[in-house]
Amino acid sequence: KNQVEQSPQSLIILEGKNCTLQCNYTVSPFSNLRWYKQDTGRGPVSLTIMTFSENTKSNGRYTATLDADTKQSSLHITASQLSDSASYICVGSGYSTLTFGKGTMLLVSP
Amino acid sequence: EAGVAQSPRYKIIEKRQSVAFWCNPISGHATLYWYQQILGQGPKLLIQFQNNGVVDDSQLPKDRFSAERLKGVDSTLKIQPAKLEDSAVYLCASSPFGGKSSYEQYFGPGTRLTVT
Repeated sequence: KNQVEQSPQSLIILEGKNCTLQCNYTVSPFSNLRWYKQDTGRGPVSLTIMTFSENTKSNGRYTATLDADTKQSSLHITASQLSDSASYICVGSGYSTLTFGKGTMLLVSP
Repeated sequence: EAGVAQSPRYKIIEKRQSVAFWCNPISGHATLYWYQQILGQGPKLLIQFQNNGVVDDSQLPKDRFSAERLKGVDSTLKIQPAKLEDSAVYLCASSPFGGKSSYEQYFGPGTRLTVT
C-alpha cells in the first residue's frame, strides 16, 4: 500500500528563522515527489516537483531535497516570513495516482 | 490566466439532505479531479476525469456520491443523501493532458461542507 508520512505534525518558529520539514514515502511505481503549500481556506499550491533523478530543487526561499534510495524528502524554508504560515503537504506520485501526506502545519510567529 | 473556480464556497446541510458542488477548470485542461479533504488530513481522490470520461473512481462512495463532466469542461459532484462523515472540504483540481506539464495539478479554493 502506498503511504506518505510527514513530520513533524506541527511546528512553531520565529519569523526570520529557518526550518526543515520531513517526508518519508512508500510509493510504487514511483514517478515524482511534490510539495504543496496550503493556506487556510485555500486549495493547495505547488511548490516543487522532483523526479527520482533530481536531488534538489528550489523555489525562492523553499528548497526541496529528494533521496530516492532512502525514499525521503525534505522541504527547507529559509528566512521564514509570516506568510509562510500554512500546511505543507508532501505528495508521492505514481504513474497514475497521487498519495498525499497529512501535512505539517507551520506557524511563523512574529 | 484564470484559476480553477468552485462554488459554493461554503454549504451547511442536514444529514440525509442532498448537495451539489460545481467546478470550472482552467481553460484547455483535459483532466479534472475531485478530492475530499477531511480536517487534519491530506486530500483523498474521489474521481478523475479525462475529458468527459472517468479514469478513476475507485474511492468514490457510489451509493451516495455521483459526478459528471458534461462536454469535457465543467463538472458537478453530488452527494445524496449526506451523512455526518461527509463534512469536509471538497477540492477540484485540473491538469493539462500530455507531457511533463501534466504532472502539475492546479487546485481550486474548495467547498467547505458541514453536515449537521
